[in-house]
Parts: sequence; structure tokens; C-alpha cells
Amino acid sequence: DTAVSQTPKYLVTQMGNDKSIKCEQNLGHDTMYWYKQDSKKFLKIMFSYNNKELIINETVPNRFSPKSPDKAHLNLHINSLELGDSAVYFCASSQMGDSAEQFFGPGTRLTVL
Amino acid sequence: KQEVTQIPAALSVPEGENLVLNCSFTDSAIYNLQWFRQDPGKGLTSLLLIQSSQREQTSGRLNASLDKSSGRSTLYIAASQPGDSATYLCAVSKGDYKLSFGAGTTVTVRA
Repeated sequence: DTAVSQTPKYLVTQMGNDKSIKCEQNLGHDTMYWYKQDSKKFLKIMFSYNNKELIINETVPNRFSPKSPDKAHLNLHINSLELGDSAVYFCASSQMGDSAEQFFGPGTRLTVL
Repeated sequence: KQEVTQIPAALSVPEGENLVLNCSFTDSAIYNLQWFRQDPGKGLTSLLLIQSSQREQTSGRLNASLDKSSGRSTLYIAASQPGDSATYLCAVSKGDYKLSFGAGTTVTVRA
């Protein structure tokens, strides 16, 4: 009965590779997000999607491409991985509306070697 | 640009003591404020959401207050337990489909 799930939980890869992280929510929410938590544990928004439409792209390099096949899924594809991409990536979701509570997934720890 | 500050960065208390965690934000034009808990290597668990029109929210031993005009929120945890040890994060929304997070307060409750 997991509300927001992400796969994989851990991802270790070489510099230059392309990888994807998947996110699914079963809460019936309309809005989904990707956040990045860096090595200093600081969380920052990357993307927001509402009803499969991109709302926010917070100056993220275009090597990062989110894709929302339907309202329950928001995947993150990363091209040409760099050392600085190493972080924990969190997916979240909320009801439509800018004052709605956000619910987070367990995170994906990405390590680029 | 919204900046969120949490003080202190770390806190260690004996079991049974009440916890007081502070959060301040620079832009008072917020829609809501959310408190989260993060355990090591885990995701974020939402604890409380306070809408901008509210002054406080309570859930069990947790009570969060909001003073929007002064840009402050405080999370109180009564009668702390070792299981309360975690990092507590404060985040604010300006109604722009994103949360701005503080760096968190890491709490250790000693048995």
C-alpha cells in the first residue's frame, strides 16, 4: 500500500552513462515533483508536473528530462551523467492546488563514479 | 527568493524533555508551511501542514505554530522519546508548486 514509490533505491553508474529513475504514486494526486538532496542534505526542487504538464523547471541542466506518461507516474531520465549528479533524488506528489500537502517517496541514491 | 533557516542545526536532549525546533523564512507571503521528519537513509515523512490562515496545528505529541507576519514557525515535541531521534525539516510554499526547505535540525534523544 505504498503511497509514493521509486525504483531503483540505489543506482551506481559510471560517468557518461544514461540512467532513469521511476516514480509512481497511488494517491490519486494530480501533481508530482522531483527534488534533489545534495551531500549537505539540502533539498531543492527540480521539476513540478501538474496533470502531466510541466509547471516548474528550476534551472536544471537539460541533461535531466522528466517524463510523465500519466498522472500517476513521473520518471526522471538523466543523460551523460556527471560526478556532481551524485545525490539522493526524491519524488513527491500532492493534490492539485498550490497549498496542498506533499508526500514523498523513499528516495533514490545515485552514485556516479 | 525565499530563504528558510532552521536553528539549531543539531540538538541533543535526555528522554522526557520537551523539544523546541525553530524555523524562519524571509518572505512572509506563504501559502502553507510543512514540517517533515527524515530518518537516516530514508524518505521524508510529513508531520504537520499549517495553512497560512492557521496559527497552529496539533497531532499527538506534536504541535506546530505559525506566525506568518514575523516569518516564524516552531515545532514542539512533548515528552521526547528515543524514537523521536531524526532530522526535522521545515518547508514553505508560496503557492508556486514547490517547497523551499530549510537545512534541518538533527535531534538526538538520549535514553
